[in-house]
Amino acid sequence: DAMVIQNPRYQVTQFGKPVTLSCSQTLNHNVMYWYQQKSSQAPKLLFHYYDKDFNNEADTPDNFQSRRPNTSFCFLDIRSPGLGDAAMYLCATSRERAGHSNQPQHFGDGTRLSIL
Amino acid sequence: AQKVTQAQTEISVVEKEDVTLDCVYETRDTTYYLFWYKQPPSGELVFLIRRNSFDEQNEISGRYSWNFQKSTSSFNFTITASQVVDSAVYFCALSRMDSNYQLIWGAGTKLIIKP
Repeated sequence: DAMVIQNPRYQVTQFGKPVTLSCSQTLNHNVMYWYQQKSSQAPKLLFHYYDKDFNNEADTPDNFQSRRPNTSFCFLDIRSPGLGDAAMYLCATSRERAGHSNQPQHFGDGTRLSIL
Repeated sequence: AQKVTQAQTEISVVEKEDVTLDCVYETRDTTYYLFWYKQPPSGELVFLIRRNSFDEQNEISGRYSWNFQKSTSSFNFTITASQVVDSAVYFCALSRMDSNYQLIWGAGTKLIIKP
């Protein structure tokens, strides 16, 4: 059974139209991450939550925001998507942060976002 | 600075051949963690292994084996008797130990197994 679930699997939105991607987990992990992955590239961390503590990466555009209403759910909001935001968005969880107790991150299947 | 290099952009082999994916890392930390992830065409990233810097023992899991050598800062991954289902992009990653909790990723190696 999937433990990190991302919906939808494919999302199409229009240029400038806000879009929300969702992620849920059944692992009860403390940390949830959002990554952006463009074609033929490694994943790029956008931000992560340690419980309710939000941590934004320095180079994450202001256009990207996140919400974590409870332990199980985390949302990625793109306020005004541009053509350059078309990518695969991956959600991941870990019991503790990477670097602590060498916890691996468990990834969802990803949402592939297209911008028209 | 931390860095992970996967010099092989793409490897293509015929099924049943053995194949080794290279990973070389740079870090000033004395303690760190290394990971391998598999990303099949469907897109999800699948965790394969983690290794901490104290443990240089090689590991074998079925057809998969990993060779960790601190002397050469390498953490190579070998698939024995490759199968078509092994076709994927494989990422090597390094875990930092400072206040930034980001994984440092290699660029990935695309592995194509031909029938």
